[in-house]
Amino acid sequence: EPEVTQTPSHQVTQMGQEVILRCVPISNHLYFYWYRQILGQKVEFLVSFYNNEISEKSEIFDDQFSVERPDGSNFTLKIRSTKLEDSAMYFCASSGRERSDGELFFGEGSRLTVL
Amino acid sequence: AQSVTQLGSHVSVSEGALVLLRCNYSSSVPPYLFWYVQYPNQGLQLLLKYTTGATLVKGINGFEAEFKKSETSFHLTKPSAHMSDAAEYFCAVSRLYNTDKLIFGTGTRLQVFP
Repeated sequence: EPEVTQTPSHQVTQMGQEVILRCVPISNHLYFYWYRQILGQKVEFLVSFYNNEISEKSEIFDDQFSVERPDGSNFTLKIRSTKLEDSAMYFCASSGRERSDGELFFGEGSRLTVL
Repeated sequence: AQSVTQLGSHVSVSEGALVLLRCNYSSSVPPYLFWYVQYPNQGLQLLLKYTTGATLVKGINGFEAEFKKSETSFHLTKPSAHMSDAAEYFCAVSRLYNTDKLIFGTGTRLQVFP
């Protein structure tokens, strides 16, 4: 069964360092997302991406964050200069239909720990 | 603005007992409502969804949920719990025509005891 894969599963970094989280969405999907969950809090929408551009982003997704789809298969989330409060589980998701009806397919998550 | 409240961060039941996970939503427009499940070391998986039509929706693994507009609720139930149901369950809401931006609750961890 097709699935969304994310790497790394866990990354520890020092505050101020750049981090890139990688995702391989399901191959025929066109819509891509990043969500995150700070420990003990809600899963929060960060950004959606379609046709090689951001279609929507939340207030969390400030200038420190960027996304790209560099090679037609990977979908990456970059945090330029990590802060302690960026520590969270980051989930990538993809969807194949324009009106997904909420059926997003999520990866297992990448846990980011910022020290 | 939309929001979701899940009552109870942890729910424990015995195997074979009724499972009831509570979710209340707030939305100024007709909501789409979802339950996602996360098994240990896995991603979020769609369990069931309500968009329009029948208010009682059935999902995978014997789960169902009922949309009650008057109570702004979308509680998840299963008549008989199985050990394999142990997982984290997330209720989520989205707006009509903007279904990609899910607003999640804080999640409920279900434990099933033999």
